[in-house]
Amino acid sequence: EADIYQTPRYLVIGTGKKITLECSQTMGHDKMYWYQQDPGMELHLIHYSYGVNSTEKGDLSSESTVSRIRTEHFPLTLESARPSHTSQYLCASSDPGHLHEKLFFGSGTQLSVL
Amino acid sequence: GESVGLHLPTLSVQEGDNSIINCAYSNSASDYFIWYKQESGKGPQFIIDIRSNMDKRQGQRVTVLLNKTVKHLSLQIAATQPGDSAVYFCAENNNTDKLIFGTGTRLQVFP
Repeated sequence: EADIYQTPRYLVIGTGKKITLECSQTMGHDKMYWYQQDPGMELHLIHYSYGVNSTEKGDLSSESTVSRIRTEHFPLTLESARPSHTSQYLCASSDPGHLHEKLFFGSGTQLSVL
Repeated sequence: GESVGLHLPTLSVQEGDNSIINCAYSNSASDYFIWYKQESGKGPQFIIDIRSNMDKRQGQRVTVLLNKTVKHLSLQIAATQPGDSAVYFCAENNNTDKLIFGTGTRLQVFP
């Protein structure tokens, strides 16, 4: 079992609200990722981080922002949520000791913006 | 966005039969491939991986086959069980820092 945790599991909020999705891992992994996944669809990378103070945008453009102040913590923030942000958000981390990217995923946050 | 009725490719198998889930990848430079299993309401879970210098790799009840000539990857599950019901994703790494995920396949196991 991977030690990566996401909170909340479900979030229903109104348009215009600011929200932060939390992600923490206890494995000491340097690399962390945020993916967005619509029902039944593939995962799209929206943010990633190589380590503390490193953040990069992913392949899918997103209005969200991330920060990496501590190794174990990689929160995602939406300043003003809109219905188009409704989706599942998955956080992941990977061990830099792996030659390639074997990702460990959290259980996800299902976000619904009304 | 709205949720619409999405039609994932679906494979229905009887409990005890073998399952074969297929995946086509596009980048001939990809040299590492992974299969993930995603159960409803959960994040993807690693199943098995394979490097491009291999054609086949076996795990517990699962086998991954790689055909680089036609850029095709398959996951074989032996003696499929109800607990195998999930969406299965293949992913490739083409020497970048990121995995690229394919469209999933829904596996349904009926008694």
